[in-house]
Parts: sequence; C-alpha cells; structure tokens
Amino acid sequence: DGGITQSPKYLFRKEGQNVTLSCEQNLNHDAMYWYRQDPGQGLRLIYYSQIVNDFQKGDIAEGYSVSREKKESFPLTVTSAQKNPTAFYLCATRTSGTDTQYFGPGTRLTVL
Amino acid sequence: GQQVMQIPQYQHVQEGEDFTTYCNSSTTLSNIQWYKQRPGGHPVFLIQLVKSGEVKKQKRLTFQFGEAKKNSSLHITATQTTDVGTYFCAAHEGAQKLVFGQGTRLTINP
Repeated sequence: DGGITQSPKYLFRKEGQNVTLSCEQNLNHDAMYWYRQDPGQGLRLIYYSQIVNDFQKGDIAEGYSVSREKKESFPLTVTSAQKNPTAFYLCATRTSGTDTQYFGPGTRLTVL
Repeated sequence: GQQVMQIPQYQHVQEGEDFTTYCNSSTTLSNIQWYKQRPGGHPVFLIQLVKSGEVKKQKRLTFQFGEAKKNSSLHITATQTTDVGTYFCAAHEGAQKLVFGQGTRLTINP
C-alpha cells in the first residue's frame, strides 16, 4: 500500500553475505511484520514488532535478525546463516485496535 | 500452532465461470481474513469474518464463515480476467499473529 515502502524491489547477493532489507511506513501504525513467501507457497512469519524497541520471533526466525529503533522503520537482516535465503520478502503493518494487515510491495531477494 | 488448510491449490476456469476456494481449520477460529495477491504483487486485504455463519458480499465475491467457525469459503460469480491472482485465507494465532493458508491460485482463460 502507498504508505509502506520496501526497497529495493529486486536484490541480488552472493552466498555468504549478509543483506538488509528496508521497510519504512508513514501510516503511524504500531505493529510491523516480516513475512517470507516462496513460489507457490503461503506467507510465513519471520519476525514481528508491536512497539518500538521490542520484537518477537515468528515461525521461521532462524538466520534472520531485526531492529525496531523507530516506529517508522523495521529493517530485516538476512544473515549468512539462513540456508535458503532466496525468496520474496513482504513487510506489513497494523494499527492498534484493528486486525487488518497492510502489505508493502515486497523485495525479491536472489542469492547467487 | 494454528494451521489453516486451503484448497484447491490451483484452479483454472473459463471467463464467466464461477470459482470457489475453501479454508479449513481443526480448531475454532476467532475470525478469518481473506487477502488477494495479484501476480507479481503483494497481498491486499479483502474482508474479515467474525460471527458464526456470517455471509458477506462484495460485488461478485461472497464470503462465508462456517457455523462452527472452523471453515470459510470465498466464491466468485462469473469470473473476469481481473480476478486472476492468488487468494489467501488467514486466521489469528493469539492477538498479534496471522497464520496464512497456502493460497489458491486462480487463472482464467479469456
């Protein structure tokens, strides 16, 4: 959605390198989420954060790290420990008191 | 943890035919959400169902939540090429997490 920016749209990295994916929002939403989507698959939760300076592991957190130093930003680092990092990464936000999640355009990461 | 099974995985129809996707859970759900993802795009929220037996309509789309709140369906009447995409159901696990079904990919022959 318009208020969530993920950059870049496509990202290529060599195996063994860490890479950080950006997610910025101007919706003033409290909660932010990172999902991974593989071809033909649903979305799997990596990490989520309900407030600044706090975040929780999702279902597939191994090999990933996050930070939430500002309300607007929730960057995801894909480390070299992630065995199969090539995927489509989606950031989402949610405002307090509602259940709807709003998704950014996604970053397609390819590790060569 | 919470699991939602979605079927079918793929569906190909002729334009004008109807389409239905089903979402099932072994446990009672507090609510169910539906999202649509166009090819190459990101998921977009369609609707949330909360009440047992609830039925909601959005133009040609009809959403149902089962009486036992363990299943849900999305039905599209007279599909159009703009309906192409993957439809996901999602259920809450706790207050903060959504668990997504694997999605049904709809393709349409014009």
